[in-house]
Amino acid sequence: ETGVTQSPTHLIKTRGQQVTLRCSSQSGHNTVSWYQQALGQGPQFIFQYYREEENGRGNFPPRFSGLQFPNYSSELNVNALELDDSALYLCASSQTSFSGNEQFFGPGTRLTVL
Amino acid sequence: AQSVTQLGSHVSVSEGALVLLRCNYSSSVPPYLFWYVQYPNQGLQLLLKYTSAATLVKGINGFEAEFKKSETSFHLTKPSAHMSDAAEYFCAVSDREYGNKLVFGAGTILRVKS
Repeated sequence: ETGVTQSPTHLIKTRGQQVTLRCSSQSGHNTVSWYQQALGQGPQFIFQYYREEENGRGNFPPRFSGLQFPNYSSELNVNALELDDSALYLCASSQTSFSGNEQFFGPGTRLTVL
Repeated sequence: AQSVTQLGSHVSVSEGALVLLRCNYSSSVPPYLFWYVQYPNQGLQLLLKYTSAATLVKGINGFEAEFKKSETSFHLTKPSAHMSDAAEYFCAVSDREYGNKLVFGAGTILRVKS
């Protein structure tokens, strides 16, 4: 069984650019959540997709957007990059979006904005 | 609103000593509680979770945690630390109001001395 995978592993962008991060969910999972983990902090919830629909959003501006595909893989897009967007971006998948359902995390994408 | 407080950003123990990592939560409805471990440059791995069954929860690698509603705590313990336990540990909460979206604490870095 393949776990959650993310690409790319590392990415360097300059301020004002746009970036797309990708996540493949674990087999049998229909829910994907994205988290931002700044250096020295705990992960912060960005948004969640359940069966291709957004299912909740954290306190992030609209320049953070996402998408979920019919195979339940997902993308995170960030426009107009700012220096503070430098972080580890974690994707997690789960069988459902129901409370208590375990989330399985990928290894993350390390984004550096210069 | 949910929140998690982890007391102590760094904890240092000797190999073979008791490990105690503290977590207090705030939630307006019965919570689900999780402990995750993160090794350097990796994603998060679930150690254990509380989902309103037994208050003493046993996890992987010899870790356990006890849910204490009166103290709003979910502290993580391990009787005897091993060098391989050195990592960062995150406590997280979710509840029925927010589905399985996670709110994380700031993390505790565990150092194990030989």
